[in-house]
Amino acid sequence: GAVVSQHPSWVICKSGTSVKIECRSLDFQATTMFWYRQFPKQSLMLMATSNEGSKATYEQGVEKDKFLINHASLTLSTLTVTSAHPEDSSFYICSAHRTGSSYEQYFGPGTRLTVT
Amino acid sequence: AQTVTQSQPEMSVQEAETVTLSCTYDTSESNYYLFWYKQPPSRQMILVIRQEAYKQQNATENRFSVNFQKAAKSFSLKISDSQLGDTAMYFCAFTIQGAQKLVFGQGTRLTINP
Repeated sequence: GAVVSQHPSWVICKSGTSVKIECRSLDFQATTMFWYRQFPKQSLMLMATSNEGSKATYEQGVEKDKFLINHASLTLSTLTVTSAHPEDSSFYICSAHRTGSSYEQYFGPGTRLTVT
Repeated sequence: AQTVTQSQPEMSVQEAETVTLSCTYDTSESNYYLFWYKQPPSRQMILVIRQEAYKQQNATENRFSVNFQKAAKSFSLKISDSQLGDTAMYFCAFTIQGAQKLVFGQGTRLTINP
């Protein structure tokens, strides 16, 4: 149990286009999900906290108009990178917090985004 | 604000040896959780071990154990009988109770040599 999926696992898009990344908790409900960005050989950087049915909370320095987050159900959060630029190329990871738990948080396998 | 510090960017040991990864943290909270995550080349984050701050007993999971020193705000990970499959990035992480974000350390790249 406690599986989180991400789709796609790898995506290439052209500069100026938008790309959507899905994060799903497959066998549990997740009122809260988190989106991270990870550069090579670095730690995870939290981008935003996604709460079902409400607006996401973005970390300082993260452009909310560029990284649109929607958490429409208890099992799905999406991250849309709008007007992508090469500097947006990165590894994006989501995690899902099991509703009602004090600490249980499970990670998706990540999405590698390359913007050409 | 909570911070987590891992002072060892890289470590390397021989297979079957024991290795200890260091982690310190800073918080004014009294109820919190500490974690060690492993990130192998696949980049999937894998939970290695968890410690609740209110528990005095150090957590253990097979070959993995922690040395939790609450007063010193230290949380080190010991890997016994290291295996080639232990080669990975290891992240120390902290969270307070509830649906709160994880705060990660910078990571330690561990290499187990045959």
